[in-house]
Amino acid sequence: EVQLVESGGGLVQPGRSLRLSCVASGFTFDDYAIHWVRQAPGKGLEWVSGISWNSGTIGYADSVKGRFTISRDNAKNSLYLQMNSLRAEDSALYYCVKDRMIAVAGVFEDWGQGTLVTVSS
Amino acid sequence: IVLTQSPGTLSVSPGERVTLSCRASQSFRTSYLAWYQQKPGQAPRLLIFGTSTRATGIPGRFSGSGSGTDFTLSISRLEPEDSAVYYCQQYGGSPPFTFGPGTKVEIK
Repeated sequence: EVQLVESGGGLVQPGRSLRLSCVASGFTFDDYAIHWVRQAPGKGLEWVSGISWNSGTIGYADSVKGRFTISRDNAKNSLYLQMNSLRAEDSALYYCVKDRMIAVAGVFEDWGQGTLVTVSS
Repeated sequence: IVLTQSPGTLSVSPGERVTLSCRASQSFRTSYLAWYQQKPGQAPRLLIFGTSTRATGIPGRFSGSGSGTDFTLSISRLEPEDSAVYYCQQYGGSPPFTFGPGTKVEIK
């Protein structure tokens, strides 16, 4: 069974940083691209960032480009999102999502339960 | 690419056929359209990818179609457990990947 478990969310002041983590199990981690997708409370889905199996291809939404950095450690079956210069509009539930493909294809096949980030003073 | 979904909310009786619409602001690779279902308090679930291919474990009453800028998700006979928000999403070859605003399906 595929499992994606996010952690690292919390309450943070505007302008500060936070690092999210996702630990994967139940599949061969380095056979798939992985993404972060977020959802503000009561709102729709927004793709944030994705990374290919070997970190060779990385993409970001324009809304986070230059502030967020995605990375992965295949030896630890882990995905990370370093979030800097956080803004109120970054407040959301952040999902770790497994792609169907080894490349950054953008088909979100398996989802974690999310970790909540709240940016507020 | 901006995706628009209609209607915003749909109230349907069990057993009825449901048709949800997703329209793109411009054409993209026809097969690169997916649909997701999200129930309250749950993570989204992949239903359809490649416009018409059902994901693993998805019941046959769900089907997808379309081309160009117009795409459709159909539920042939609505079940009570199909009450959810449905999102379309394009993945036309490379990021960024965009979602539609969603259609909420309610059971009468």
